[in-house]
Amino acid sequence: AQTVTQSQPEMSVQEAETVTLSCTYDTSESDYYLFWYKQPPSRQMILVIRQEAYKQQNATENRFSVNFQKAAKSFSLKISDSQLGDAAMYFCAYRRATSGTYKYIFGTGTRLKVLA
Amino acid sequence: DGGITQSPKYLFRKEGQNVTLSCEQNLNHDAMYWYRQDPGQGLRLIYYSQIVNDFQKGDIAEGYSVSREKKESFPLTVTSAQKNPTAFYLCASSPGTGREKLFFGSGTQLSVL
Repeated sequence: AQTVTQSQPEMSVQEAETVTLSCTYDTSESDYYLFWYKQPPSRQMILVIRQEAYKQQNATENRFSVNFQKAAKSFSLKISDSQLGDAAMYFCAYRRATSGTYKYIFGTGTRLKVLA
Repeated sequence: DGGITQSPKYLFRKEGQNVTLSCEQNLNHDAMYWYRQDPGQGLRLIYYSQIVNDFQKGDIAEGYSVSREKKESFPLTVTSAQKNPTAFYLCASSPGTGREKLFFGSGTQLSVL
């Protein structure tokens, strides 16, 4: 069974600095999708970034980028120029790419604090 | 606007009572999901449905039931068999194919009186 592990329950970063959140996953599949979701205090889940496993190029979305290491099964999220609004829970998620497969598996989350 | 509507926002359950959480989507998505969120445990899948009149158990289905009679609706019943129901419940949907993201509702906080 696939699993997703986030080993950092909590992280802190100074405003304007860079922080990296870790995520590892376990799968025997070769094709899959990976996601980072943000959950601010409102508890509304927001997609931050996604990565297709068949793509070697790391995904980027403005200040957010990933370091996808397929062989190591690692999918870390880098937040540059951190802002107060980045404070939230961050969840890593996995989904197989096989047609007809619908399950999304989430990690336990990392709480990010941004210090002014 | 298209989206997912969960109701109520807060719900209280008495001992031995069944309660139903509503989830409606107008995105024309095939797949719908229920997740439970507890502090420190992330999101755990309760049930999911890929198509109308069909659904599958997730990782923590015991004490819960669902139905999928209409494409846009996927209600979750928390039965009296669920001994620790206090949690935040999130409903989500997706088109069902490819690389698409999950779309989430705003959640229901269920507490036991």
